[in-house]
Amino acid sequence: DAKTTQPPSMDCAEGRAANLPCNHSTISGNEYVYWYRQIHSQGPQYIIHGLKNNETNEMASLIITEDRKSSTLILPHATLRDTAVYYCIVRVANTNAGKSTFGDGTTLTVKP
Amino acid sequence: DAGITQSPRHKVTETGTPVTLRCHQTENHRYMYWYRQDPGHGLRLIHYSYGVKDTDKGEVSDGYSVSRSKTEDFLLTLESATSSQTSVYFCAIRGHNSPLHFGNGTRLTVT
Repeated sequence: DAKTTQPPSMDCAEGRAANLPCNHSTISGNEYVYWYRQIHSQGPQYIIHGLKNNETNEMASLIITEDRKSSTLILPHATLRDTAVYYCIVRVANTNAGKSTFGDGTTLTVKP
Repeated sequence: DAGITQSPRHKVTETGTPVTLRCHQTENHRYMYWYRQDPGHGLRLIHYSYGVKDTDKGEVSDGYSVSRSKTEDFLLTLESATSSQTSVYFCAIRGHNSPLHFGNGTRLTVT
């Protein structure tokens, strides 16, 4: 699985959009980009994933660059409850034994 | 969440004693994983399973063993616990072409 690079921390004002970047310059053609978040003391929670097209669900939007070497997770209207560590990982979706490597993630702090 | 239960939620044990953590799922998913999480290290994969009796090592497998005798249960065993194994342990499950779903974790303290 390709390695990812994320900023260690970011702040965002409540009600504003939070844009969390991720670099994955060694991503392979069959690897997806997944985003998870971990709220203090809980298990990580899946947010969204994509291959090359932009994706949107009820939680967030995922923007993947055309060369697929980086992506941005967008929380359109951040709330205090979005304060968490956000992990970006890349992996092949259909491997026989897909293990996922998590880095240190980005600690997002949403401020009132 | 996603039909995954870890037990116990908290455990305190002494150095040198054996410890077994259990992960139980009701989703009939093929893949199961054990991670540990420590300050400054993020989530690190210990072992994983891709089917009954099919397991493999992750990046920090030394001192741990696993077993999966049936689809719904994945056991993590510390044969002789050490203080360096004090950590929060997370189990995760995954179906074919689906994301990981994590349990709520087991906080293990080895004194």
